[in-house]
Amino acid sequence: DSGVTQTPKHLITATGQRVTLRCSPRSGDLSVYWYQQSLDQGLQFLIQYYNGEERAKGNILERFSAQQFPDLHSELNLSSLELGDSALYFCASSVGLPMWGLANTGELFFGEGSRLTVL
Amino acid sequence: SQQGEEDPQALSIQEGENATMNCSYKTSINNLQWYRQNSGRGLVHLILIRSNEREKHSGRLRVTLDTSKKSSSLLITASRAADTASYFCATALAGNKLTFGGGTRVLVKP
Repeated sequence: DSGVTQTPKHLITATGQRVTLRCSPRSGDLSVYWYQQSLDQGLQFLIQYYNGEERAKGNILERFSAQQFPDLHSELNLSSLELGDSALYFCASSVGLPMWGLANTGELFFGEGSRLTVL
Repeated sequence: SQQGEEDPQALSIQEGENATMNCSYKTSINNLQWYRQNSGRGLVHLILIRSNEREKHSGRLRVTLDTSKKSSSLLITASRAADTASYFCATALAGNKLTFGGGTRVLVKP
């Protein structure tokens, strides 16, 4: 158990709809990351937050948005869903703001993911 | 586009054999990490090697890093059926992004 909790585990919805995925990081972790994993695109970095602030952005569509709340949990909102949005969405957390330098590990702890199916 | 690319994409070995997979990346990095993912589960961190390190061991895992060739390898010795999983390399650039490769699917047959 990584200590990162994601809900819901499975979600089935229709095209055009909006869903919210929730992530609770490990106790004490300030950084939260969102990744999308699909068969054709692999594991894609979406966005990262540190202590409530956006710190890095990846291949996140404009239809998607995220935020990190004062209690450090994070939500990923996916709107105007398309068939191609069907994927596993992972949340990960880390101990602090990873500077990716020699003094920091940068190890991420992943949740079990939310499997989204868009029909 | 992927920063890291694993090779081979898939690997099938007998229990007890060694498994070797490689990762190539494109730009300078601060560190490189390897993760394991069991089917449909979350990724689990295995080992991290910094850009100024050349080799690192953790139990049955051995990781090498060649920054001049922009490549890394992961060796799993004396493989077990429980090692069946996908293995991903991830590169940490300056900043806050950890970029994953496409992964190597390893099947260890009993």
